[in-house]
Amino acid sequence: GENVEQHPSTLSVQEGDSAVIKCTYSDSASNYFPWYKQELGKGPQLIIDIRSNVGEKKDQRIAVTLNKTAKHFSLHITETQPEDSAVYFCAANHISAGTYKYIFGTGTRLKVLA
Amino acid sequence: DTAVSQTPKYLVTQMGNDKSIKCEQNLGHDTMYWYKQDSKKFLKIMFSYNNKELIINETVPNRFSPKSPDKAHLNLHINSLELGDSAVYFCASSQASGSSEQFFGPGTRLTVL
Repeated sequence: GENVEQHPSTLSVQEGDSAVIKCTYSDSASNYFPWYKQELGKGPQLIIDIRSNVGEKKDQRIAVTLNKTAKHFSLHITETQPEDSAVYFCAANHISAGTYKYIFGTGTRLKVLA
Repeated sequence: DTAVSQTPKYLVTQMGNDKSIKCEQNLGHDTMYWYKQDSKKFLKIMFSYNNKELIINETVPNRFSPKSPDKAHLNLHINSLELGDSAVYFCASSQASGSSEQFFGPGTRLTVL
């Protein structure tokens, strides 16, 4: 079946450093790629998304890049802060029987060390 | 003014029991979802409804039965609970399915003893 691979599974960075999380998807028809942040005890929350007609998108300290040819997309967080510590999920949409659904990556636990 | 709410937040029960989780969204969205997140944090879709109609039904045991009385509510009923059902269950909603932001509820932690 379709899947989304996500690396690394855990990532520790010093406060102020950058963090990069990478995902690879398998369905060439996927055209929407959201990133979610999940804090402890809470539901996932969208932080940024990108559609297949765009190669890069930035929102303050967060950016996402998409390489459709290689089926890779990445999340970049610059100037990390302790409150960035959370689990991050990438996702890609997938159409099956005429209906879209998300396939989520396996998550990356980011720790920002003060 | 919570966007997606779920009750209860915690549910502890014995094997073999039947339980329900309720979900409500006040965003006016047409599509609602149930996800299961296991102990390794894997998030997997279980069901999706669009305007009260079931549109996604993943390979889920038929002990799990969703019900959508109206497009603002999606409940999940689980019969004959098993140890492996222990997980966090998330409800979510979106304006359209699969290509727009999904808003997640706070989750229901189900523990089956």
